[in-house]
Amino acid sequence: GENVEQHPSTLSVQEGDSAVIKCTYSDSASNYFPWYKQELGKRPQLIIDIRSNVGEKKDQRIAVTLNKTAKHFSLHITETQPEDSAVYFCAASTSGGSYIPTFGRGTSLIVHP
Amino acid sequence: EAQVTQNPRYLITVTGKKLTVTCSQNMNHEYMSWYRQDPGLGLRQIYYSMNVEVTDKGDVPEGYKVSRKEKRNFPLILESPSPNQTSLYFCASRQGPSPLHFGNGTRLTVT
Repeated sequence: GENVEQHPSTLSVQEGDSAVIKCTYSDSASNYFPWYKQELGKRPQLIIDIRSNVGEKKDQRIAVTLNKTAKHFSLHITETQPEDSAVYFCAASTSGGSYIPTFGRGTSLIVHP
Repeated sequence: EAQVTQNPRYLITVTGKKLTVTCSQNMNHEYMSWYRQDPGLGLRQIYYSMNVEVTDKGDVPEGYKVSRKEKRNFPLILESPSPNQTSLYFCASRQGPSPLHFGNGTRLTVT
């Protein structure tokens, strides 16, 4: 089955810096890659996703890149703000697997004012 | 408002006392799933359902049961809870190749 590795487990940055979280996956058939943000005490919520037919997607300060050859994808947050502090989860899924996601273990991002 | 509703939000119980956590969605989603979240382990899937009367084991199904008699409801049943089932539980749903919609979570403590 699919295996998703996520690094780092904890990331501490100063406000205004950029943050990068990386995930690798094992199943070359995976073709849908969502990222979820979970604020303290709340539910995970989608912040951005990418499908395998594109290499990069941006939404304001957030971007995701996908390298299918290397089987890794990354979340980039620019100009970080304290409200970006949260746990971020990556996931991978495939149409052959009915899009059942396999999650990474999460990255705790701390943005210091 | 489109949402996934879980109840209760907090539950404290004793070992062996059967309990049910309810989950309901109003988006007519075919796929529903239960996860447990533990520190350092991320989100682990317990059971999932592709449609009414169709359920399958996830990665950590031991000690849990589910049922899907109606499209909107997917209850999680712990027939004999044990302390190692103390965790934060999330129900989620989606339609097709789209993101999951999560409920607000149920924090369960088994003493």
